[in-house]
Amino acid sequence: DGGITQSPKYLFRKEGQNVTLSCEQNLNHDAMYWYRQDPGQGLRLIYYSQIVNDFQKGDIAEGYSVSREKKESFPLTVTSAQKNPTAFYLCASSKGKGGGNQPQHFGDGTRLSIL
Amino acid sequence: DQQVKQNSPSLSVQEGRISILNCDYTNSMFDYFLWYKKYPAEGPTFLISISSIKDKNEDGRFTVFLNKSAKHLSLHIVPSQPGDSAVYFCAASLNFGNEKLTFGTGTRLTIIP
Repeated sequence: DGGITQSPKYLFRKEGQNVTLSCEQNLNHDAMYWYRQDPGQGLRLIYYSQIVNDFQKGDIAEGYSVSREKKESFPLTVTSAQKNPTAFYLCASSKGKGGGNQPQHFGDGTRLSIL
Repeated sequence: DQQVKQNSPSLSVQEGRISILNCDYTNSMFDYFLWYKKYPAEGPTFLISISSIKDKNEDGRFTVFLNKSAKHLSLHIVPSQPGDSAVYFCAASLNFGNEKLTFGTGTRLTIIP
């Protein structure tokens, strides 16, 4: 089945540690996105990538880094510089530029907590 | 600056009745609007969308209405079913949804049997 796989589902981080969240898609989508959801808030965009080896900052990129070495994969690293990393992280993908009805499809998320 | 607003954090509707979820936006450059449904501990699922050149789009029990002059859209679900209980997010984008989405804060819909 085609879809977006995020792993792990739950992740714990100690203070001062970097952690990497995995996102893989087999939908042959060009564009991939990372969002963060906090309680009572909507999803906020962290980073997005419309093509391999290229990515752009979203609205809340500080303290995060990404890479896009393969079309299928868009890992997100939460660095120690991110002061409030506890949140639910969602990865999404879409067909990318081309116009028309091409909604983003989401994975099931990773919940990150600080120990 | 909240460009997409869902002013009702929660809504309860009797099973079989119509559910109406509302969304307002401030950026007149948005040209594509989407509704997503989200269950706890899962990712959002795409429901229905509408481009700014239309004022209505229907898909089964779900209809989205867009009023560009009022910068307002609504999602109608009829008839409402228990499985519709979830959080509903309104989202908007530029360039027909192929770039970043701006989400509202969500409305929790509870269908009462």
